[in-house]
This record gives sequence, structure tokens and C-alpha cells, in this order.
Amino acid sequence: AQKITQTQPGMFVQEKEAVTLDCTYDTSDQSYGLFWYKQPSSGEMIFLIYQGSYDEQNATEGRYSLNFQKARKSANLVISASQLGDSAMYFCAMREGTSGTYKYIFGTGTRLKVLA
Amino acid sequence: EAGVAQSPRYKIIEKRQSVAFWCNPISGHATLYWYQQILGQGPKLLIQFQNNGVVDDSQLPKDRFSAERLKGVDSTLKIQPAKLEDSAVYLCASSLDWDYYNEQFFGPGTRLTVL
Repeated sequence: AQKITQTQPGMFVQEKEAVTLDCTYDTSDQSYGLFWYKQPSSGEMIFLIYQGSYDEQNATEGRYSLNFQKARKSANLVISASQLGDSAMYFCAMREGTSGTYKYIFGTGTRLKVLA
Repeated sequence: EAGVAQSPRYKIIEKRQSVAFWCNPISGHATLYWYQQILGQGPKLLIQFQNNGVVDDSQLPKDRFSAERLKGVDSTLKIQPAKLEDSAVYLCASSLDWDYYNEQFFGPGTRLTVL
């Protein structure tokens, strides 16, 4: 079974609009972390935002926010006021385990295209 | 602060040849990861080191892949002999392993093409 599921292979959004990228996860751990990374065409993975499983508030970083619904095991990324530079692949990832034995699992990604 | 360094950036080899990739993590980062990212897929963890010890190598094809991290700093990943299906981007990442986020910082990757 997939531990991280990103059901949207590709998304389009108009410049300045908001967009939500979906991510669901599966774990039996009580303590885990959820990450979103951006991968532009250059190939480098860029950390965007983090949500800990015990965090009560949804994480926000500038134009990025994470809609964390623990009971549904979902961690959707919301990008507000999209910019042309947001066009990239976006990966959701989960960290399981404890310090020293962390495991990271990535989803298959969503390709976002921002339209002018 | 310098980021994660990787070399070479690109490599083209023929099948059955050998190849090695090098990674220098961010200074002070105890944990180092090697990922394989096949075109159109998410990164797949190959091996994870903490200092110079292996934490997880369950997805490393040990008949052809090997990795080492001498002195707990730099790391090399080797493929011998390469197969066509090894064509991918090999990403190296490092993390502190004790801070709240424990985010991974990634290098630019090495794009391997096996002909």
C-alpha cells in the first residue's frame, strides 16, 4: 500500500489564484512529520513547509500553508497568489521513526503549471 | 552556509560500466541520504547514514550498488556494473537529525544516463 498518495499528476492554475495540492498518508506511528518540497526543472529539491503530527495549528510559511486533517490523514498544500515561478513538481513526504532512525517516504508528485 | 555538494552533475556511461558519485553534506549534519529519482517518480531512499554508520539500506540493490561514508562526512555511491534501469537522478541530502523540523537539505543531484 502507498504510504504517501498524491492523486493529482498535473494541475493548472491561473496566476494570482490559489491552488491546493492533495496529499494523503498512511502510518501507524503516533509521531511523524509531513513535508512539502518543490522541485523546479533544475532538479534541486527545495523545502517548503513542515507539519508535525502533534502540531495543533496548521503550518504556514509565506504564501504556503498546509491544511492538516489528522483524522483524515491528509496534508494538503495550499499556495496562495500563485506566481509563474511556482511552476514545478511538488512532492509530499512523510518522516516516520525516531531520531537516529528516521525514514522518509515521498509521494509521486504533482506537476503544477501556473498560467499567465 | 554552503549547501550540499554533489559531483559530477551529469554522467553518461554504457551498461556494464562502473560509476561513482560523490556527496559532501552541510557541515555538522550527522545524517546523510542517497536517493534515486527515476524520471516522473518521487525520490526513493537507497541508503541512509548517521555519521559513518548505516541506518537503512533496505532498498539498496546490494548486488550492484555500494556506498560508504568515511569519517562521517563525505560519501560516495557506486554502481558496478550499471544497468539500463539505473538511469535516474541520484540525489544526496543531509540533515541535523536533532532539530524540530529535521528537514532534509538536498544537493543538485547527479543525472545518470546508462546507454
